[in-house]
Amino acid sequence: DAGVTQSPTHLIKTRGQQVTLRCSPKSGHDTVSWYQQALGQGPQFIFQYYEEEERQRGNFPDRFSGHQFPNYSSELNVNALLLGDSALYLCASSEDRGVVWTEAFFGQGTRLTVV
Amino acid sequence: KQEVTQIPAALSVPEGENLVLNCSFTDSAIYNLQWFRQDPGKGLTSLLLIQSSQREQTSGRLNASLDKSSGRSTLYIAASQPGDSATYLCAATGNQFYFGTGTSLTVIP
Repeated sequence: DAGVTQSPTHLIKTRGQQVTLRCSPKSGHDTVSWYQQALGQGPQFIFQYYEEEERQRGNFPDRFSGHQFPNYSSELNVNALLLGDSALYLCASSEDRGVVWTEAFFGQGTRLTVV
Repeated sequence: KQEVTQIPAALSVPEGENLVLNCSFTDSAIYNLQWFRQDPGKGLTSLLLIQSSQREQTSGRLNASLDKSSGRSTLYIAASQPGDSATYLCAATGNQFYFGTGTSLTVIP
C-alpha cells in the first residue's frame, strides 16, 4: 500500500498565477481533506471531499477550489496566487463511517512557494 | 470554535529521559484525539489515535491519554532517543481536524 501520495513535492509559482495540486488517497479510503500549513504553524483545514462533492469547508476564500474524482483522488486548485499562499499543502485521507471518524493518514505534502 | 493549545512550544532533553507533551482543547465534543509526528519540511506521521470513548493508547515507547472532561491529552515518551527529535502535533477531531501549533522536541545525544 503506497499510502497517501501527493504531487508535485515542490512547486514555485509567480504571484497571480494558478496552481493545481494532486492527491491519491490510501487504498480503501473515500474521503480526502486538504490542509494548509504555514511555517511554524499547525495545519489549517481548507476543505473536505466525499463522494465527489465538497462536504465541509474551512475559512478560505473562493480562490481555493477542489475536485474529487470517481477513484477518490483529489485536486486542490488555487487561483490568483498571493505571496501569503506560500505554505506546505497537506492531503489527508480517511474512511467515512458516518459520524465516527477513523484514523486519518497524511501525505508528505506539496511545498508551494509564491514569488 | 475548537481551539487547541500545545505546551511547551519547544523542549530539549538529554537522551534517555522520559518526557510528557501536553495538549489542551476547548470543546470536549470531539470524536477522536490524534497525535502526529512531523519532521522538518515533511508531512504528518500518525502516532496514536484515541477514540472519544477511550482513555489511553500505547504504541511501543509512546503512551497517549485523553481526558475529555478536562479537555486535555498528554503524550508520554519513554527513554527518549535522538531519532525522536521532531515536531509533535495533536489534533482534535470534530467535523474536521483542529491542530495545535506543535511541540518541537530535541533529544540531545
